[in-house]
Amino acid sequence: DQQVKQNSPSLSVQEGRISILNCDYTNSMFDYFLWYKKYPAEGPTFLISISSIKDKNEDGRFTVFLNKSAKHLSLHIVPSQPGDSAVYFCAARDSGGSNYKLTFGKGTLLTVNP
Amino acid sequence: KAGVTQTPRYLIKTRGQQVTLSCSPISGHRSVSWYQQTPGQGLQFLFEYFSETQRNKGNFPGRFSGRQFSNSRSEMNVSTLELGDSALYLCASSLEGLGRGQPQHFGDGTRLSIL
Repeated sequence: DQQVKQNSPSLSVQEGRISILNCDYTNSMFDYFLWYKKYPAEGPTFLISISSIKDKNEDGRFTVFLNKSAKHLSLHIVPSQPGDSAVYFCAARDSGGSNYKLTFGKGTLLTVNP
Repeated sequence: KAGVTQTPRYLIKTRGQQVTLSCSPISGHRSVSWYQQTPGQGLQFLFEYFSETQRNKGNFPGRFSGRQFSNSRSEMNVSTLELGDSALYLCASSLEGLGRGQPQHFGDGTRLSIL
């Protein structure tokens, strides 16, 4: 049972345009969400996070939106650059009890074309 | 500032053997978590250590174990290796851990192949 879903395995956008990566979750106990990007042969790199008490968080070209009623998370990258080409993972923290753990989606491969 | 260091980068073992992987966290980080990444299951949480104690645990069998030393370095051990244990094993560190809402910083992983 996949509690964090990234339904688009891949996304292709033109340089300078907006990239929108989506993530859906099912567990109402998730209270903290993160986005990571991963280049081949490297570990994931933290990008941006958001607490469930907020609906938006911005950091430079990256903005994360959280819609709790829809259990939906999105990452906007504006403007997109070729160096943004990577696999993007969303992750959610389960705060059920005291056993905190992160659950990851399976990732979306973003390709930004020059 | 040095990142998370995992050794070795690549490892080949045969079924039934055991293996130990090592992780050195970012200096000052006291929380270390381990993850398994496979093409079919994606990234799955194994366990988290903080101040030499296992604080959180995922849904993996007891063949997967770990420990943390007083300098926060951590090791993960897998006994009686199975073909399905072939994966990329990632270690991540943070200052105080997931309970404090802090992001984790990942190493580049150890690629374990079971023959």
